[in-house]
Amino acid sequence: GQSLEQPSEVTAVEGAIVQINCTYQTSGFYGLSWYQQHDGGAPTFLSYNALDGLEETGRFSSFLSRSDSYGYLLLQELQMKDSASYFCAVRDSGQNFVFGPGTRLSVLP
Amino acid sequence: NAGVTQTPKFRVLKTGQSMTLLCAQDMNHEYMYWYRQDPGMGLRLIHYSVGEGTTAKGEVPDGYNVSRLKKQNFLLGLESAAPSQTSVYFCASRQSSNYGYTFGSGTRLTVV
Repeated sequence: GQSLEQPSEVTAVEGAIVQINCTYQTSGFYGLSWYQQHDGGAPTFLSYNALDGLEETGRFSSFLSRSDSYGYLLLQELQMKDSASYFCAVRDSGQNFVFGPGTRLSVLP
Repeated sequence: NAGVTQTPKFRVLKTGQSMTLLCAQDMNHEYMYWYRQDPGMGLRLIHYSVGEGTTAKGEVPDGYNVSRLKKQNFLLGLESAAPSQTSVYFCASRQSSNYGYTFGSGTRLTVV
């Protein structure tokens, strides 16, 4: 079966650093993606990790450990506009991704 | 602007009615997908297509049909709507060599 776990909610203050974890159990694994979704909006692609390690893109970084079936999204210098839901997604086959339940991030002033 | 366009944006159906959701992309992407999003459950794959004329079932295909007669369009059909199909439906597309989806803005469907 397919199973992805994320914390349901995370709260942090402006300017802080926050880490959103994702653990997975899937029938296949080719890579891990992260998406951001603001209320009422569409998911937008943030990152994709196929290999172990940390990938940095501006204030956002994504990490993958395939041996631990674990990854995380790191958001630095938090801004109010970062308040949104964040989804991890596992590429479990050549074509498809399975999405996690999402983590709602609230950034407080 | 380039991207994925979904129509309609909102729809209310009565139980048993049928409808078709249209997804169009102008990025020449090979792969297209239909997901549904329900509170607390993330996005679940309904059907997908890896090229013109091809379709395949995803995680929750029952009650839905799809067609991809042209590369740029992917249609999702509900033959006999049920209240359990009340959801937000997202279409997405991507290149075969790129692992980031581009999503449409969604269709909010209510079945009463």
